[in-house]
Amino acid sequence: NAGVTQTPKFRILKIGQSMTLQCTQDMNHNYMYWYRQDPGMGLKLIYYSVGAGITDKGEVPNGYNVSRSTTEDFPLRLELAAPSQTSVYFCASSDRGTGELFFGEGSRLTVL
Amino acid sequence: AQKVTQAQTEISVVEKEDVTLDCVYETRDTTYYLFWYKQPPSGELVFLIRRNSFDEQNEISGRYSWNFQKSTSSFNFTITASQVVDSAVYFCALSGATGKLIFGQGTTLQVKP
Repeated sequence: NAGVTQTPKFRILKIGQSMTLQCTQDMNHNYMYWYRQDPGMGLKLIYYSVGAGITDKGEVPNGYNVSRSTTEDFPLRLELAAPSQTSVYFCASSDRGTGELFFGEGSRLTVL
Repeated sequence: AQKVTQAQTEISVVEKEDVTLDCVYETRDTTYYLFWYKQPPSGELVFLIRRNSFDEQNEISGRYSWNFQKSTSSFNFTITASQVVDSAVYFCALSGATGKLIFGQGTTLQVKP
């Protein structure tokens, strides 16, 4: 079982570039989440989705966009990357919004 | 609005000591869920426990125990006879009716031999 798969695991971006972090899960979970974790800090919710076609903002959505066209995939788009977006990004899924989260391994993004 | 506060940023104990990690939450939902996750130095996030707002019974799992008190909006986590392998960052989290799940800022636990 693959679980939650994130790609890429590492990426260096220049200021102003754009990129998409991919997240896919094979557990048929309806709920999916994107978090960012800054060094020595907690996880901040960027966006979440309760099902295909439905997304909602979390605590820190500015500078990001998401889409949920299928149950399996929940890509996170960074437009005009800024140094403040340097972080580790975690994707997670859950069979229900009140259940255990299954996390991907994280994607470490550096913006220079 | 939902909020989770873990006031202890870092805790250092000597092996075999008991340690309690505090978690205080805020929510307007009558039905909600509380979680604890562990993040060891390797970086992955490990689920420890989930509790719903209607179940205030304390839970024990080996050396781990959790104390849920709605009256004080707290969901504290105690490790008994701590071990070096318990060294990690521990996160408390809260989920409400919408499925939006937020985390506290985490408590770094260092257990020294």
